[in-house]
Amino acid sequence: ETGVTQTPRHLVMGMTNKKSLKCEQHLGHNAMYWYKQSAKKPLELMFVYNFKEQTENNSVPSRFSPECPNSSHLFLHLHTLQPEDSALYLCASSPGHHWGGYTFGSGTRLTVV
Amino acid sequence: KNEVEQSPQNLTAQEGEFITINCSYSVGISALHWLQQHPGGGIVSLFMLSSGKKKHGRLIATINIQEKHSSLHITASHPRDSAVYICAVRSGTDKLIFGTGTRLQVFP
Repeated sequence: ETGVTQTPRHLVMGMTNKKSLKCEQHLGHNAMYWYKQSAKKPLELMFVYNFKEQTENNSVPSRFSPECPNSSHLFLHLHTLQPEDSALYLCASSPGHHWGGYTFGSGTRLTVV
Repeated sequence: KNEVEQSPQNLTAQEGEFITINCSYSVGISALHWLQQHPGGGIVSLFMLSSGKKKHGRLIATINIQEKHSSLHITASHPRDSAVYICAVRSGTDKLIFGTGTRLQVFP
């Protein structure tokens, strides 16, 4: 365990389903991130939250909806996804200041059928 | 063209060999990270550096800011080192730009 916990580890969902991914950290970090990792592509930043406020939305389609109720928890709500959204979704956290390192979760492997 | 390029994309080695993975970037950075991703998907941060050299066990990371280049070295490689190694740079705001990774396989 790295200190960043993601659930579930695996998720299979239909295109009409609604599901949520959860990320939790108790490292005292102030920034949390969602990344998407598709096959043979670099990790792509999706969202950044600093002190519960969204500070970056990297042109992510609205079928992905993030929620950050507090500095320790981050959700990614999924609705009406497409098969090309199948990927590994990684959560990370950092202290949020310039020199802080990142801690990653183990990811959720999402398959959209 | 990706702002962060890694080479090689794939690397195989025999146990005990010295391994080098390279990373070049084209943007101004405040820090560079080396990450390790095992087959299960989880990512572990190995190094964060902004100048010079860092060493942790059998791993050594170097960076040359003027040349915009970093290397990750593994001495006395072991099968458990088999993983994908990812270079990422922090540029400007608090976000990382990632390379596509180097897949390393070390055989006994």
